Amino acid sequence: GQSLEQPSEVTAVEGAIVQINCTYQTSGFYGLSWYQQHDGGAPTFLSYNGLDGLEETGRFSSFLSRSDSYGYLLLQELQMKDSASYFCAVRDRTDSWGKLQFGAGTQVVVTP
Amino acid sequence: DAGVIQSPRHEVTEMGQEVTLRCKPISGHNSLFWYRQTMMRGLELLIYFNNNVPIDDSGMPEDRFSAKMPNASFSTLKIQPSEPRDSAVYFCASNVEAASGGELFFGEGSRLTVL
Repeated sequence: GQSLEQPSEVTAVEGAIVQINCTYQTSGFYGLSWYQQHDGGAPTFLSYNGLDGLEETGRFSSFLSRSDSYGYLLLQELQMKDSASYFCAVRDRTDSWGKLQFGAGTQVVVTP
Repeated sequence: DAGVIQSPRHEVTEMGQEVTLRCKPISGHNSLFWYRQTMMRGLELLIYFNNNVPIDDSGMPEDRFSAKMPNASFSTLKIQPSEPRDSAVYFCASNVEAASGGELFFGEGSRLTVL
Protein backbone atom coordinates (compact mmCIF):
# COMPACT_ATOMS: atom_id res chain seq x y z
CA GLY A 1 0.00 0.00 0.00
CA GLN A 2 0.87 3.65 -0.07
CA SER A 3 0.59 6.51 2.38
CA LEU A 4 1.52 10.16 2.07
CA GLU A 5 1.75 12.80 4.75
CA GLN A 6 1.71 16.54 4.24
CA PRO A 7 0.72 19.43 6.50
CA SER A 8 -2.94 20.38 6.41
CA GLU A 9 -2.48 24.14 6.26
CA VAL A 10 0.19 26.79 5.87
CA THR A 11 -0.33 30.55 6.14
CA ALA A 12 2.13 33.13 4.86
CA VAL A 13 2.23 36.72 3.67
CA GLU A 14 2.66 37.93 0.14
CA GLY A 15 6.27 37.83 -1.00
CA ALA A 16 7.23 35.15 1.50
CA ILE A 17 8.55 31.65 0.84
CA VAL A 18 6.59 28.54 1.76
CA GLN A 19 7.84 24.96 1.85
CA ILE A 20 5.35 22.11 1.81
CA ASN A 21 6.83 18.81 2.89
CA CYS A 22 5.61 15.42 1.80
CA THR A 23 6.73 12.08 3.20
CA TYR A 24 5.60 8.86 1.63
CA GLN A 25 5.59 5.15 2.15
CA THR A 26 5.14 2.90 -0.85
CA SER A 27 5.86 -0.67 -1.71
CA GLY A 28 7.69 0.65 -4.75
CA PHE A 29 8.35 4.16 -5.96
CA TYR A 30 8.53 5.72 -9.36
CA GLY A 31 8.13 9.43 -8.85
CA LEU A 32 6.61 12.28 -6.88
CA SER A 33 4.26 14.81 -8.45
CA TRP A 34 2.73 18.02 -7.20
CA TYR A 35 -0.65 19.45 -8.10
CA GLN A 36 -2.37 22.73 -7.35
CA GLN A 37 -6.10 23.08 -6.89
CA HIS A 38 -7.98 26.34 -6.41
CA ASP A 39 -11.35 26.26 -4.67
CA GLY A 40 -13.95 24.92 -7.04
CA GLY A 41 -11.37 24.11 -9.66
CA ALA A 42 -9.60 21.08 -11.04
CA PRO A 43 -6.19 19.84 -9.90
CA THR A 44 -3.49 21.09 -12.22
CA PHE A 45 -0.03 19.67 -12.59
CA LEU A 46 2.89 21.65 -11.18
CA SER A 47 5.95 19.42 -11.20
CA TYR A 48 7.37 15.94 -11.19
CA ASN A 49 10.50 14.46 -9.63
CA GLY A 50 11.62 11.05 -10.80
CA LEU A 51 15.18 11.44 -9.60
CA ASP A 52 16.74 12.97 -6.52
CA GLY A 53 17.31 16.67 -6.60
CA LEU A 54 15.65 19.95 -7.30
CA GLU A 55 13.38 20.81 -10.21
CA GLU A 56 12.72 24.50 -10.76
CA THR A 57 9.80 25.97 -12.68
CA GLY A 58 9.57 29.71 -12.26
CA ARG A 59 8.62 30.62 -8.71
CA PHE A 60 7.95 27.00 -7.83
CA SER A 61 10.55 24.33 -7.13
CA SER A 62 10.22 20.72 -6.11
CA PHE A 63 12.73 18.50 -4.40
CA LEU A 64 13.01 14.77 -3.94
CA SER A 65 15.15 12.54 -1.76
CA ARG A 66 14.38 8.93 -2.56
CA SER A 67 16.57 7.62 0.25
CA ASP A 68 14.55 9.65 2.77
CA SER A 69 11.17 9.01 1.10
CA TYR A 70 10.71 12.75 1.25
CA GLY A 71 9.99 15.62 -1.02
CA TYR A 72 8.92 19.22 -0.84
CA LEU A 73 7.35 21.94 -2.91
CA LEU A 74 8.83 25.41 -2.51
CA LEU A 75 6.71 28.41 -3.36
CA GLN A 76 8.70 31.61 -3.66
CA GLU A 77 7.63 35.24 -3.92
CA LEU A 78 4.16 34.27 -2.81
CA GLN A 79 1.27 35.97 -4.54
CA MET A 80 -2.38 36.12 -3.52
CA LYS A 81 -3.25 33.88 -6.46
CA ASP A 82 -1.11 31.13 -4.90
CA SER A 83 -3.80 30.62 -2.25
CA ALA A 84 -4.90 27.08 -3.07
CA SER A 85 -4.54 23.48 -2.03
CA TYR A 86 -1.37 21.66 -2.98
CA PHE A 87 -1.23 17.90 -3.28
CA CYS A 88 1.72 15.58 -3.48
CA ALA A 89 1.12 12.35 -5.35
CA VAL A 90 3.17 9.21 -5.83
CA ARG A 91 3.28 6.59 -8.50
CA ASP A 92 4.08 3.10 -7.34
CA ARG A 93 6.56 1.28 -9.53
CA THR A 94 4.13 -1.55 -9.94
CA ASP A 95 1.36 0.68 -11.21
CA SER A 96 0.50 2.30 -14.43
CA TRP A 97 2.15 5.56 -15.26
CA GLY A 98 -0.99 7.46 -14.52
CA LYS A 99 -2.25 5.78 -11.39
CA LEU A 100 -1.43 8.30 -8.74
CA GLN A 101 -2.05 8.17 -5.02
CA PHE A 102 -2.71 11.66 -3.71
CA GLY A 103 -1.94 13.09 -0.30
CA ALA A 104 -4.66 14.84 1.68
CA GLY A 105 -3.49 18.23 0.48
CA THR A 106 -2.04 21.35 2.07
CA GLN A 107 -4.16 24.48 2.12
CA VAL A 108 -1.92 27.49 1.51
CA VAL A 109 -3.38 30.78 2.65
CA VAL A 110 -1.61 33.90 1.44
CA THR A 111 -2.36 37.08 3.36
CA PRO A 112 -1.65 40.68 2.33
CA ASP B 1 -6.68 22.54 -27.71
CA ALA B 2 -9.67 21.30 -25.79
CA GLY B 3 -8.97 19.82 -22.42
CA VAL B 4 -10.81 17.00 -20.70
CA ILE B 5 -14.51 17.71 -20.97
CA GLN B 6 -16.95 16.55 -18.33
CA SER B 7 -20.69 16.79 -18.09
CA PRO B 8 -22.79 17.68 -16.29
CA ARG B 9 -20.89 20.24 -14.23
CA HIS B 10 -23.50 20.10 -11.51
CA GLU B 11 -26.13 17.52 -10.74
CA VAL B 12 -28.66 17.46 -7.94
CA THR B 13 -30.71 14.33 -7.64
CA GLU B 14 -32.72 12.40 -5.13
CA MET B 15 -31.65 9.24 -3.41
CA GLY B 16 -32.40 6.18 -5.46
CA GLN B 17 -32.08 7.89 -8.81
CA GLU B 18 -29.60 6.87 -11.47
CA VAL B 19 -26.74 9.24 -12.17
CA THR B 20 -24.58 9.20 -15.28
CA LEU B 21 -21.45 11.29 -15.52
CA ARG B 22 -19.70 11.73 -18.84
CA CYS B 23 -16.15 12.40 -19.89
CA LYS B 24 -14.35 13.14 -23.12
CA PRO B 25 -10.59 12.76 -22.72
CA ILE B 26 -7.98 14.76 -24.58
CA SER B 27 -7.54 13.47 -28.10
CA GLY B 28 -4.55 11.17 -28.32
CA HIS B 29 -4.53 10.28 -24.65
CA ASN B 30 -4.84 6.54 -24.12
CA SER B 31 -5.36 6.43 -20.36
CA LEU B 32 -8.47 7.68 -18.57
CA PHE B 33 -9.10 7.96 -14.86
CA TRP B 34 -12.13 8.61 -12.69
CA TYR B 35 -11.41 10.24 -9.32
CA ARG B 36 -13.77 11.24 -6.55
CA GLN B 37 -13.04 14.10 -4.17
CA THR B 38 -14.62 14.68 -0.78
CA MET B 39 -13.52 16.62 2.26
CA MET B 40 -13.32 13.47 4.31
CA ARG B 41 -11.48 11.19 1.90
CA GLY B 42 -9.66 13.57 -0.41
CA LEU B 43 -8.93 12.51 -3.97
CA GLU B 44 -9.64 8.83 -4.50
CA LEU B 45 -9.02 6.89 -7.69
CA LEU B 46 -12.12 4.94 -8.60
CA ILE B 47 -11.11 3.27 -11.84
CA TYR B 48 -8.76 3.71 -14.73
CA PHE B 49 -8.73 2.57 -18.34
CA ASN B 50 -5.86 2.02 -20.70
CA ASN B 51 -6.67 1.84 -24.41
CA ASN B 52 -10.37 1.64 -23.46
CA VAL B 53 -9.84 -1.41 -21.27
CA PRO B 54 -10.50 -1.20 -17.52
CA ILE B 55 -7.21 -1.92 -15.79
CA ASP B 56 -7.92 -1.35 -12.13
CA ASP B 57 -11.35 -0.86 -10.60
CA SER B 58 -10.31 -1.60 -7.04
CA GLY B 59 -11.33 1.87 -5.98
CA MET B 60 -14.94 1.53 -7.07
CA PRO B 61 -16.89 1.72 -3.81
CA GLU B 62 -19.48 -0.95 -4.51
CA ASP B 63 -21.65 -2.53 -7.13
CA ARG B 64 -23.78 0.56 -7.42
CA PHE B 65 -20.90 2.13 -9.34
CA SER B 66 -20.00 1.16 -12.87
CA ALA B 67 -17.83 2.70 -15.56
CA LYS B 68 -17.51 2.14 -19.26
CA MET B 69 -15.29 3.35 -22.04
CA PRO B 70 -16.88 2.29 -25.33
CA ASN B 71 -14.32 4.17 -27.41
CA ALA B 72 -11.23 6.30 -27.08
CA SER B 73 -13.16 9.54 -26.87
CA PHE B 74 -15.88 8.80 -24.36
CA SER B 75 -16.36 7.34 -20.91
CA THR B 76 -19.22 7.19 -18.44
CA LEU B 77 -19.44 6.68 -14.71
CA LYS B 78 -22.82 5.49 -13.53
CA ILE B 79 -24.25 5.31 -10.05
CA GLN B 80 -27.42 3.30 -9.61
CA PRO B 81 -29.08 3.73 -7.21
CA SER B 82 -27.51 6.89 -5.85
CA GLU B 83 -27.21 7.57 -2.12
CA PRO B 84 -26.49 10.77 -0.17
CA ARG B 85 -22.99 9.53 0.68
CA ASP B 86 -22.17 9.57 -3.03
CA SER B 87 -22.26 13.36 -2.92
CA ALA B 88 -18.84 14.50 -4.10
CA VAL B 89 -16.96 16.06 -6.97
CA TYR B 90 -16.14 13.48 -9.60
CA PHE B 91 -13.12 14.22 -11.77
CA CYS B 92 -12.14 12.60 -15.00
CA ALA B 93 -8.49 12.79 -16.03
CA SER B 94 -6.47 11.56 -18.96
CA ASN B 95 -2.88 11.19 -20.07
CA VAL B 96 -0.62 9.31 -22.39
CA GLU B 97 0.26 5.99 -20.80
CA ALA B 98 3.85 5.90 -21.91
CA ALA B 99 4.68 9.50 -21.17
CA SER B 100 6.97 10.28 -18.28
CA GLY B 101 6.48 13.19 -15.97
CA GLY B 102 3.49 12.13 -13.94
CA GLU B 103 1.15 14.65 -15.48
CA LEU B 104 -2.55 14.00 -15.39
CA PHE B 105 -4.91 16.35 -17.14
CA PHE B 106 -8.09 16.82 -15.15
CA GLY B 107 -11.50 17.95 -16.29
CA GLU B 108 -13.37 20.61 -14.36
CA GLY B 109 -15.32 17.98 -12.46
CA SER B 110 -18.94 17.04 -11.96
CA ARG B 111 -20.33 18.16 -8.62
CA LEU B 112 -22.94 15.65 -7.50
CA THR B 113 -25.41 16.26 -4.73
CA VAL B 114 -27.70 13.41 -3.72
CA LEU B 115 -30.55 14.48 -1.47
